[in-house]
Amino acid sequence: DTAVSQTPKYLVTQMGNDKSIKCEQNLGHDTMYWYKQDSKKFLKIMFSYNNKELIINETVPNRFSPKSPDKAHLNLHINSLELGDSAVYFCASSRGGGGNYGYTFGSGTRLTVV
Amino acid sequence: KNEVEQSPQNLTAQEGEFITINCSYSVGISALHWLQQHPGGGIVSLFMLSSGKKKHGRLIATINIQEKHSSLHITASHPRDSAVYICAVKSSGSRLTFGEGTQLTVNP
Repeated sequence: DTAVSQTPKYLVTQMGNDKSIKCEQNLGHDTMYWYKQDSKKFLKIMFSYNNKELIINETVPNRFSPKSPDKAHLNLHINSLELGDSAVYFCASSRGGGGNYGYTFGSGTRLTVV
Repeated sequence: KNEVEQSPQNLTAQEGEFITINCSYSVGISALHWLQQHPGGGIVSLFMLSSGKKKHGRLIATINIQEKHSSLHITASHPRDSAVYICAVKSSGSRLTFGEGTQLTVNP
């Protein structure tokens, strides 16, 4: 299946831990994104990579670090997790850096920090 | 004030009704997207518009660039249409700015 796949789907962890969320797309897209959806269902962009190069870096705490080993993968590493990091994180991809051909979203990772 | 405003925030309809969800934006855009998020959480892209009108099955999306306004219409609504519908605009680069979503519930 051609898709954007995220793992894990659910992640429950304690405050202070370090965790990673992985994202892979097999669509041949060259731009990938991380979005955060808060408890009110509001989506906001966090990061965007085009061909492994960071092109969007919103005001996100330094504890969040994206890593793109190749253009098909964009992982999100979070250090020293806090309660406020609890949210659903969506990975997405698009063809072309401008997203002019639409976006494909992963199914989301629900992160719960306790 | 958010750059993208949707109305209504919540909408309840009876099966078969014609539904309209509105989206207004305040920035210059190159494209507008309508997304659907089902209760299971996954997000599906429904439409990408830069002008005019698009139709997929029972769904119709329109955009008026001069008025900075878009509408999503659902004809002959069905309970399986129950979802959150999200408007998003592409302004600078590849950044998407999202509306807060409209929760649609269609009752049988």
